[in-house]
Amino acid sequence: KAGVTQTPRYLIKTRGQQVTLSCSPISGHRSVSWYQQTPGQGLQFLFEYFSETQRNKGNFPGRFSGRQFSNSRSEMNVSTLELGDSALYLCASSSTTGGYGNYGYTFGSGTRLTVV
Amino acid sequence: GDSVTQMEGPVTLSEEAFLTINCTYTATGYPSLFWYVQYPGEGLQLLLKATKADDKGSNKGFEATYRKETTSFHLEKGSVQVSDSAVYFCALGGSFTGGGNKLTFGTGTQLKVEL
Repeated sequence: KAGVTQTPRYLIKTRGQQVTLSCSPISGHRSVSWYQQTPGQGLQFLFEYFSETQRNKGNFPGRFSGRQFSNSRSEMNVSTLELGDSALYLCASSSTTGGYGNYGYTFGSGTRLTVV
Repeated sequence: GDSVTQMEGPVTLSEEAFLTINCTYTATGYPSLFWYVQYPGEGLQLLLKATKADDKGSNKGFEATYRKETTSFHLEKGSVQVSDSAVYFCALGGSFTGGGNKLTFGTGTQLKVEL
């Protein structure tokens, strides 16, 4: 069974540019979440998508956005990049449908974004 | 809001030593609790989980028991190996009122095991 696939693995962008990251969840998983990992802030929740709808969003500016397609694949976009956006972006998929009973997520290997 | 407090690292142990990484949490309701492990250059791997009070999660020799009375989920292993060197994250699975879930992570504890 294929795991969660994130592309690209590494990315270097210039301040002010925008970037799109891609995530393919485990087959049959309908929930996809995104997390940002930095040395200073640790792991922080960005947003969660379920059946093409953003259900919840973390405390990030509007420059961070995402979407989910009908095949559950998800993309996240960061516009007007800042140096502080340099991070490892992790995607996770889950088969849970919400409510109580969070049974855990399977994470991808991440996309390491460097903004210069 | 939900929060997870994890013991500071790095932790350096000799091979075959006993490991404990402390984790306590603050949450409303009845969250699920997890330990994830991250190897250099990799994403997070689920190590073990517990979904209700008094549950014991276990995997690959690691164990953790969900203690509601002390709001704790300490990770233990009786005999560590060099291959266990990694960063360990305690996490709490919370639910949103309108549906959906998210994980709240501790800051991570780096473990280094030496021969």
